[in-house]
Amino acid sequence: AQSVTQLGSHVSVSEGALVLLRCNYSSSVPPYLFWYVQYPNQGLQLLLKYTTGATLVKGINGFEAEFKKSETSFHLTKPSAHMSDAAEYFCAVTEGGGSNYKLTFGKGTLLTVNP
Amino acid sequence: GAVVSQHPSRVICKSGTSVKIECRSLDFQATTMFWYRQFPKQSLMLMATSNEGSKATYEQGVEKDKFLINHASLTLSTLTVTSAHPEDSSFYICSAYPGHNQPQHFGDGTRLSIL
Repeated sequence: AQSVTQLGSHVSVSEGALVLLRCNYSSSVPPYLFWYVQYPNQGLQLLLKYTTGATLVKGINGFEAEFKKSETSFHLTKPSAHMSDAAEYFCAVTEGGGSNYKLTFGKGTLLTVNP
Repeated sequence: GAVVSQHPSRVICKSGTSVKIECRSLDFQATTMFWYRQFPKQSLMLMATSNEGSKATYEQGVEKDKFLINHASLTLSTLTVTSAHPEDSSFYICSAYPGHNQPQHFGDGTRLSIL
């Protein structure tokens, strides 16, 4: 079975500061990992994904994440926060591809950016 | 990029009404679509997996007679909340899986309010 733990339900940073959102996963097989962002009353938008290959993945809006197998982590970072980054962020895992491709989500981290 | 259209975006109706929500993949074929439910300030909970041309697979605890899912084509899945009651009020989100280990693409969600 797979699971995702996001440490910190709420992270607050100042504009221009580093953003670090933590995600740890559990999976019985090599995982595929994702970060999604959700703005109020909207669906989810994919920020970035890791499937295989390079462990540091870059996504949209300046975000990146590093897959660390030894730490079972996939933390999301951005060097400099922007006001428009304020949103809910979800880490998700799926146990490889295939027709089902079911995602298991973490509980989410609300990011607020202070001026 | 891949677009998933979910309609309607908001529904307000009386208790006992049945409500149909549509999920369409606009520029790709989706052999698998997923339906999620999201309570306020919580994560997405998978309700069911919908495969084109076959019966949906429901997650444990989800009433299949209450939440009817039809996936009649490779671009359309529908969720019908039958005889809806106030406790069914929630944010429902669909996603479509393009296959080939590509990420799921999400609709913008449907806010269902049962009076």
